Amino acid sequence: DIQMTQSPSSLSASVGDRVTITCRASQSISIYLNWYQQKPGKAPKLLIFAASSLQSGVPSRFSGSGSGTDFTLTINSLQPEDFAIYHCQQSYTMPYTFGQGTKLEIK
Amino acid sequence: QVQLQESGPGLVRPSQTLSLTCTVSGGSISSGGYYWSWIRQHPGKGLEWIGYVYFSGSTQYNPSLKSRLTMSIDTSKNHFSLRLYSVTAADTAVYYCARGSAIGLNNWFDPWGQGTLVTVSS
Repeated sequence: DIQMTQSPSSLSASVGDRVTITCRASQSISIYLNWYQQKPGKAPKLLIFAASSLQSGVPSRFSGSGSGTDFTLTINSLQPEDFAIYHCQQSYTMPYTFGQGTKLEIK
Repeated sequence: QVQLQESGPGLVRPSQTLSLTCTVSGGSISSGGYYWSWIRQHPGKGLEWIGYVYFSGSTQYNPSLKSRLTMSIDTSKNHFSLRLYSVTAADTAVYYCARGSAIGLNNWFDPWGQGTLVTVSS
């Protein structure tokens, strides 16, 4: 199975900050990488697909980049509603696998 | 707007069968191009892809669960189902259903159901 490793595991930031979350795959996955946001007690919500394509309805302060093994999710000008857990997911090969999650907390 | 809703028992005895159904509203489950999926999340942990069923009935399963798993689809009721056999405490998790979409090799999940907690305990 392809292992997905996110860093950091947790992160504290303030409203208005710019933050970057990293996801690393154990082998090359081209651009087959998706990002989700999960709030407490809720289901994950798709933010980014194919590494850098913004899902419809997602604010433009979210962006994704990367290919191969290294990917980043960037959130510009953090808003109060952005404090959540972020997950990456690869679909290059089955079984599809997720990272362990990055918890973004308010400083 | 497509919505998904899981249903099924919240408590299952060890060695028994976990059965869940996902009802789809706002769209037809018979529409080609979507992969009707199950994903679970152990308490306080990350997400684990369980598998998917296509509208034709074809399936793909996570090899780690394949020997205990059956997924099916009922287009007349616009729902799909999961059966996980011989459960143990390690199967305690929140189970989500989701619609999978694909472009080429890229397969993502959106939308998701709200999730249902299944506890395996005697």
